[in-house]
Amino acid sequence: DAKTTQPPSMDCAEGRAANLPCNHSTISGNEYVYWYRQIHSQGPQYIIHGLKNNETNEMASLIITEDRKSSTLILPHATLRDTAVYYCIVRGANQAGTALIFGKGTTLSVSS
Amino acid sequence: DTGVSQDPRHKITKRGQNVTFRCDPISEHNRLYWYRQTLGQGPEFLTYFQNEAQLEKSRLLSDRFSAERPKGSFSTLEIQRTEQGDSAMYLCASSLAGSQFRGEKLFFGSGTQLSVL
Repeated sequence: DAKTTQPPSMDCAEGRAANLPCNHSTISGNEYVYWYRQIHSQGPQYIIHGLKNNETNEMASLIITEDRKSSTLILPHATLRDTAVYYCIVRGANQAGTALIFGKGTTLSVSS
Repeated sequence: DTGVSQDPRHKITKRGQNVTFRCDPISEHNRLYWYRQTLGQGPEFLTYFQNEAQLEKSRLLSDRFSAERPKGSFSTLEIQRTEQGDSAMYLCASSLAGSQFRGEKLFFGSGTQLSVL
């Protein structure tokens, strides 16, 4: 079973920030938080991952709470092309090479 | 295009027939994964290779399913005696695992959509 909890759906206006929450209250010390997204009819796309510190790349920012029990993916200026299913996944270093367990994710709908 | 390539994109077959899918990972990626996805669900893990060695198989991978990665490059997934329940998107992903683990990025292909009639 997935070790994360995400809202099933969210809406966002184009140009605004999209903040996607994820709860992972049972995360252990060596587990990373990963975010992937899947646009309709395509394979999942890696977005970002982090362990303890906040991370930022060209696609998004990842904010991890100090206790690491939850995180937020931030798309700073959402566009229509960001409409997708967003998956939050946790996996440890000692699970490298084993399955990424996908839940049902959050369906983000960006509208103009 | 240097991404993960899957062939064919679509496959329609009759129940009981055998089908084979191919995945070409990103060059030099040493890990290769197969997933299956049905409508409205997240991808489900099937199996994984490190180079040519198949290191993990899911309980979902019944005896009718077999995967190979003969030279540690491309991989094939064969389904024998297909059933209607095998209808799904079959996704392949690859990654480059280094000696120091700092997280692993999987790169997915666009998948093969299988329809069993």
